[in-house]
Amino acid sequence: GDSVTQMEGPVTLSEEAFLTINCTYTATGYPSLFWYVQYPGEGLQLLLKATKADDKGSNKGFEATYRKETTSFHLEKGSVQVSDSAVYFCALSLASGGSYIPTFGRGTSLIVHP
Amino acid sequence: DGGITQSPKYLFRKEGQNVTLSCEQNLNHDAMYWYRQDPGQGLRLIYYSQIVNDFQKGDIAEGYSVSREKKESFPLTVTSAQKNPTAFYLCASRGIGDTQYFGPGTRLTVL
Repeated sequence: GDSVTQMEGPVTLSEEAFLTINCTYTATGYPSLFWYVQYPGEGLQLLLKATKADDKGSNKGFEATYRKETTSFHLEKGSVQVSDSAVYFCALSLASGGSYIPTFGRGTSLIVHP
Repeated sequence: DGGITQSPKYLFRKEGQNVTLSCEQNLNHDAMYWYRQDPGQGLRLIYYSQIVNDFQKGDIAEGYSVSREKKESFPLTVTSAQKNPTAFYLCASRGIGDTQYFGPGTRLTVL
């Protein structure tokens, strides 16, 4: 079946450091890919997405490029802030028999120190 | 403001009790989902509904039940058959481009 694999956390960085969170996927078709962010005690919210190969999603300084050849969608940010501390989820969505069932990775916790 | 509301935010259940978690949306979305989140486990799908009066089991439906009588509402009942219900429960709906819109969650604790 479809699956999403993320690097395990926590990822601990100092403020203004470069961030990469790796995400790879397996899917039987051509999924849409997403990054969601979850702050403590809250629900998830969409950070960025890409719907086809070579698309780049971007938001709030975060970027991720849909790489079909490597089945990857790595999240990057050039300079993290303390306020970026959260859990980040990579996800894919693919239609199956008329239903859209998303598949989520396990999440990667990011801790940014001042 | 459009969005998804879940209530209550915190819920405590005694052994053998059924409890119902509320989920309401005013986004006019057809599809709605219930997820369970445990530490280090990511999100696991409990039930989903693509349209009113229809719903399907997800990966971990045992011990849970749902209804979808109105487009706006998708309540989840945690029955006494669910042996380990303590978790964070998230409701979501599917919007344009398959984006999931999440509620703020309900934290259920078994006493």
